[in-house]
Formats: sequence, structure tokens, C-alpha cells
Amino acid sequence: DAGVTQSPTHLIKTRGQQVTLRCSPKSGHDTVSWYQQALGQGPQFIFQYYEEEERQRGNFPDRFSGHQFPNYSSELNVNALLLGDSALYLCASSRAGVVHNEQFFGPGTRLTVL
Amino acid sequence: LAKTTQPISMDSYEGQEVNITCSHNNIATNDYITWYQQFPSQGPRFIIQGYKTKVTNEVASLFIPADRKSSTLSLPRVSLSDTAVYYCLVGDMGGYSTLTFGKGTMLLVSP
Repeated sequence: DAGVTQSPTHLIKTRGQQVTLRCSPKSGHDTVSWYQQALGQGPQFIFQYYEEEERQRGNFPDRFSGHQFPNYSSELNVNALLLGDSALYLCASSRAGVVHNEQFFGPGTRLTVL
Repeated sequence: LAKTTQPISMDSYEGQEVNITCSHNNIATNDYITWYQQFPSQGPRFIIQGYKTKVTNEVASLFIPADRKSSTLSLPRVSLSDTAVYYCLVGDMGGYSTLTFGKGTMLLVSP
């Protein structure tokens, strides 16, 4: 059973560019959450997708957007990249409606903005 | 969401028991306490979750006093591979829950 997968593993962009990160959830999971983790910090919640809709959003600007596909996979898009967007981007999947819901994380995408 | 406070770092040696305490004074009635482990350049991994008293699994034990204002993650006989950041999280952990991470505790296990 494959766990959560993310692509690409690493990415280098320059300021002002746009980036798309991809995530495939664990088998049987229908909910995908995205987190940003800056160096030395804990992951910070960006948003969560369920049934192809954004259900919850953290304190991130509109430059951060996402999408969920019918097969539950998800994309994170960041426009007009800033140096401060350099971070490890983590995707976590879970099953909606499950009490005491454990979230399974992928290995992350390391984004470097120059 | 209840805020958590835990030590920034801890040091230990192989074979020792390690106890990491987390303070969560404002924990709500519906909140559960969950611990995650994270190795460098990897995503966090669920370790253990509890509501009250004691919970034990094959990896760790979680001790929660009656007032639930703190909790202690206990790692028995740590090895070098237990070197990681450990996060204490508090929340209702419902079906649509999101996770609020602090800075965690960096545990360094030495030979």
C-alpha cells in the first residue's frame, strides 16, 4: 500500500515565478491538507481539500491556491514567488468523518526561491 | 486551539528512557493530545494519541494527568535512530481537523 507521495522532491525557482506541487493521498483517503514548513519551524497549515473543495484555510495569502481532483490527488499552486516562500511543503492525507483522525504525511517538496 | 509548550531540545544516550513533557493549560474538553515525530527532510509521523490517563503502543507511552493540563511522552530505551523532532499537538482530531504544530522538541541521542 503506497503512502502519501509528493512530486517533485526538490524545486528551484526565482522570485516572481509560479510553482505547482503535486500530492497523491494514501489509498482510501479522501482529504488532503497542505502545510508549509520553514527551516527550524513546525509545519504551518495552508489549506485542506475535501470533495474537490477547499474546506479550511490557514493564514496564507491568495497567492497560495489549490485544487483537488476526482481521484483525491491534489495540487498546490503558488504565484508570484517570494524569497520567503522557500520551505518544505508537506501534504497530508486523511479520511473524512473518522474520529481521532490520524493524518499521514508525505516526504515533502523542498522549494527554494532565489 | 490550545497552545502547547515543550522544551526546545533534549539530549540523551542510547538505552536511556526519555520523557518529553508538554504543557497545554488551555486544553478543551473535546481535545485530544497527539504526538508526532519528524526526521530531517521527511514529513511528520504519528506516534501516539490519548485523552486521559495512560496510553501505550509499540513505540511509546503517553501519560496524561487527571487535569489534562500537561502530558508526557515516554520513549523507552532510545537508540540513535530516535534522534528527531517531537511535536505535541492538542485538538479535537475530528474528521476534518487540521494540525497546529509548535516548534517541537529536538531530541539528540548520542552513543
